[in-house]
Amino acid sequence: GQQVMQIPQYQHVQEGEDFTTYCNSSTTLSNIQWYKQRPGGHPVFLIQLVKSGEVKKQKRLTFQFGEAKKNSSLHITATQTTDVGTYFCAGSNTGNQFYFGTGTSLTVIP
Amino acid sequence: KAGVTQTPRYLIKTRGQQVTLSCSPISGHRSVSWYQQTPGQGLQFLFEYFSETQRNKGNFPGRFSGRQFSNSRSEMNVSTLELGDSALYLCASSLGGQGYTDTQYFGPGTRLTVL
Repeated sequence: GQQVMQIPQYQHVQEGEDFTTYCNSSTTLSNIQWYKQRPGGHPVFLIQLVKSGEVKKQKRLTFQFGEAKKNSSLHITATQTTDVGTYFCAGSNTGNQFYFGTGTSLTVIP
Repeated sequence: KAGVTQTPRYLIKTRGQQVTLSCSPISGHRSVSWYQQTPGQGLQFLFEYFSETQRNKGNFPGRFSGRQFSNSRSEMNVSTLELGDSALYLCASSLGGQGYTDTQYFGPGTRLTVL
């Protein structure tokens, strides 16, 4: 079955440092979504990527979809304490069923 | 618009019992998906309902079942509870049209503890 792997599982950074999480799928995806879950909260949608090689930016966050549509990354520039949480990628090849990565838990040390 | 609501927020059950969880989607959303979240396994897809029909199903045993009503509200049932069923159960709603890839909006979840 389809698998979506995400690395690293945990990341501790000093405030102001950059952070990157990577998502890899065993199969080609039609689209990929990214979510953020704050401690004690529920996943909140960040962005969706659908095109091969697509790059999207949201302020300090940069999202990329690989050329082969099997991998994706989220990069945060100059992390802040408000970035703390777990970041999940979710891939789909049907449009209606999403396979979530295991998530990367980000801790930002002030 | 009101967000996705889930009831109850917390549940404590014992092994062998059954449980029913409820999810009310955002008004106008016709798709409801259910996920199980545990520290070790992350977010795992249970099933998705659209227009009262199960459209997609994950790899969970038959003890896990669900249904959707005509107003798009959905329920999930787990029978013969096991200790390993302790988890946060999240539902997510979306517009869900056929072939449509859209944003999922998650509810706050139901925290189930099985003793």
